[in-house]
Amino acid sequence: GAVVSQHPSRVICKSGTSVKIECRSLDFQATTMFWYRQFPKKSLMLMATSNEGSKATYEQGVEKDKFLINHASLTLSTLTVTSAHPEDSSFYICSARSGQNYGYTFGSGTRLTVV
Amino acid sequence: GENVEQHPSTLSVQEGDSAVIKCTYSDSASNYFPWYKQELGKRPQLIIDIRSNVGEKKDQRIAVTLNKTAKHFSLHITETQPEDSAVYFCAARTFGNEKLTFGTGTRLTIIP
Repeated sequence: GAVVSQHPSRVICKSGTSVKIECRSLDFQATTMFWYRQFPKKSLMLMATSNEGSKATYEQGVEKDKFLINHASLTLSTLTVTSAHPEDSSFYICSARSGQNYGYTFGSGTRLTVV
Repeated sequence: GENVEQHPSTLSVQEGDSAVIKCTYSDSASNYFPWYKQELGKRPQLIIDIRSNVGEKKDQRIAVTLNKTAKHFSLHITETQPEDSAVYFCAARTFGNEKLTFGTGTRLTIIP
């Protein structure tokens, strides 16, 4: 079945630094990638939607200059958290969708801790 | 935009009994309703989904029902087992929009 590989699974970084999270679709072409943020014991909150080769569409309240999303190819999308602060600590999950597949395939998530 | 409400937030069920989780949605144009199971620190796993042209779908111990008129759908798990313990999320997708809107989640605990 469809697989999305997300890396890293865990990352600890210092305040002010940037962190890049990668999601790769291994056996299908991800025409659309969704990036979610999940706080402990909370639901998945959509941050942005990206289509390959286009600029990402951000949800209301999400800072596009802080959360940089790149979807340069049909198999790779990245989320860069710039100038990270402790309040950015969270679980980040990507989800990919192929135009030929009705379903959504989730990555394994990245636990970001900013100290 | 779409708004999905989910109840209950927590549910404890004796092993072997049934569990029911309910969700309501606001946008009558929504046409796809998946249910996900998420274990602590893991990715959400699709367990069953239903499209708006179907009223009920069943897969072994898991079933989903959809009432388009009332705009609600429910997850039914029968003969519950300890491994069913997890957080369950419903979601809805509106026709013409690729985004999934998630419910707030239900923490299901199966009591041995």
